This record gives sequence, structure tokens and C-alpha cells, in this order.
Amino acid sequence: GIQVEQSPPDLILQEGANSTLRCNFSDSVNNLQWFHQNPWGQLINLFYIPSGTKQNGRLSATTVATERYSSLYISSSQTTDSGVYFCAVEYDMRFGAGTRLTVKP
Amino acid sequence: NAGVMQNPRHLVRRRGQEARLRCSPMKGHSHVYWYRQLPEEGLKFMVYLQKENIIDESGMPKERFSAEFPKEGPSILRIQQVVRGDSAAYFCASSPEDAYEQYFGPGTRLTVT
Repeated sequence: GIQVEQSPPDLILQEGANSTLRCNFSDSVNNLQWFHQNPWGQLINLFYIPSGTKQNGRLSATTVATERYSSLYISSSQTTDSGVYFCAVEYDMRFGAGTRLTVKP
Repeated sequence: NAGVMQNPRHLVRRRGQEARLRCSPMKGHSHVYWYRQLPEEGLKFMVYLQKENIIDESGMPKERFSAEFPKEGPSILRIQQVVRGDSAAYFCASSPEDAYEQYFGPGTRLTVT
């Protein structure tokens, strides 16, 4: 099956800093999504992005399908951005292990 | 437009009892997926269902676990004779007929004592 690797596993930032999270996958995919799991455990859809670039406010994502990776970019981070960020691929949602982000005030 | 609904949000069962978890997909969505998340881990796919059909159950344990999505009513994930190792968060997601994007419910946290 497809392997999904996320990096870095942990990230600590000061409020206002920017960050880039990476998701590598081992084979071509038809579906890729980014999620934010907040400290209360809720999974929030960020992007559905099997290819190309999308932006939503301070967040943007790019997937380069031919190179088998996706990146999530967070600008001007806020404490409410803290939590775990997951990427997942295909219809059966193969999840990466996630990046745990902590934003300090 | 209500999102994916799951109930109960928290469920406590003693070893050997049965657990029933319910999931109502978003309006207009006909595909339902169940996932399990152990503490400090990512989500693991369990089963993919459409109305009255199991499409892929490759992630379901072979024993004690079953899922259904009847013509009417919510999807049900049933765990018989629960053991402590079944303690986890169980998430349901739904998607429309013609798209891959999945939307997740708030999850049910099962604790087996």
C-alpha cells in the first residue's frame, strides 16, 4: 500500500512565525487532503488538493503529484494553530503520522 | 447544513459488553467511512460503505467488529465483546457520490474498563 511520511514530527514556533509542513507519498494518488486536529480532537478539513496550489487565508497548500509530495504553508502563526496536522491520501485515507505544531505566545 | 454527526460522543463499556457507534453523514452524501485513532497515533481506515453495501472492509478486524449502512437511518459500527485494546477514538467521515473529499464527524471516544 501507499506509504505516507510527514515531516517534521514536531514543530515549536513563536506566534507570528511562518512554517512549512511536508507530506511525501510513495505512489501516485487521486486524492490528498490536509487536516488539522485541534487539541479537543476534532478533525478540521483544510484542503482537498490532489494537485496544484490552493490558498485559504493564512494557509496555503501545494501538491506536486509528479514528485509525490505536498506542502502546507502556515504564515503568521497564531496560538490557535496549535494541534496536529495530518495529510491523508486515497479514498481509504492513508494517514501520515502527523506534525505536532505548538505555537507559543 | 449540518455536518457529519456521531453519537454518542463518549461511551464507556465494561469488558465483554457490546458497543454501538452511530454516524449520520452530511446531507446529500451517500458514502461513509469509519476510522480508528489510538492515542498519539494517526487515524487508521476500517471500512467504506455505501447504502446497503460494504465496499471495502480491509481495515476491519476479522472478529467482533461489524459495520452497516442501511437504506434508512445512520451507519452503525458495532463492536461485540469489547476488550481494553478497543479503547480509542472512532471517527466517521462521509463523501458525496461523485467526489473523493471526505468530511469528518467529531468522533466517539470509547473507553473499555
